[in-house]
Amino acid sequence: KNEVEQSPQNLTAQEGEFITINCSYSVGISALHWLQQHPGGGIVSLFMLSSGKKKHGRLIATINIQEKHSSLHITASHPRDSAVYICAVSQGAQKLVFGQGTRLTINP
Amino acid sequence: GAVVSQHPSRVICKSGTSVKIECRSLDFQATTMFWYRQFPKQSLMLMATSNEGSKATYEQGVEKDKFLINHASLTLSTLTVTSAHPEDSSFYICSARGALAGETQYFGPGTRLLVL
Repeated sequence: KNEVEQSPQNLTAQEGEFITINCSYSVGISALHWLQQHPGGGIVSLFMLSSGKKKHGRLIATINIQEKHSSLHITASHPRDSAVYICAVSQGAQKLVFGQGTRLTINP
Repeated sequence: GAVVSQHPSRVICKSGTSVKIECRSLDFQATTMFWYRQFPKQSLMLMATSNEGSKATYEQGVEKDKFLINHASLTLSTLTVTSAHPEDSSFYICSARGALAGETQYFGPGTRLLVL
């Protein structure tokens, strides 16, 4: 079993829909990261959180430390949100451990 | 946010040649840089961690003599794929973290390597 599991692996939705991507982890962490990778390959760091909730524009990330679970939400989804979303955890100043990614496709 | 660049963005080379990929932090001092490899439709795999001025720490299964990493300054790390073979064809991504950045890693745009 991977230390970081994401669901779903693939998600297709219509423009405007509310999107949720889930991440569960099995190790102790100091922070959880949500990353976005576009088809060209470049990676953007969306959020780093260790508790509670963060919001940036239409993106919301939450984490429940006791349940070892995080969710990434996208409100009013748009085709430009189509990308692979990656959950990763870190333990102190150590390397990131990545989930397998969720491929999101938003159709117009 | 902080900016990390990689050069080149794409490279095609013949089998047996060596390829150097540069990773630069443009607006902060990167005390630690990470090199990842990503095969199609797979997640990132950490290859090595390098701290400025010291030898890189390689992950298990990564040949340090084949993937040479140099982190000679606080803004530049290089990855050299020596005697490249077709199986080395992959997407190579670096990330950088500064002393003041906490645990945030800033990722480069990646380098796509094709070995013929």
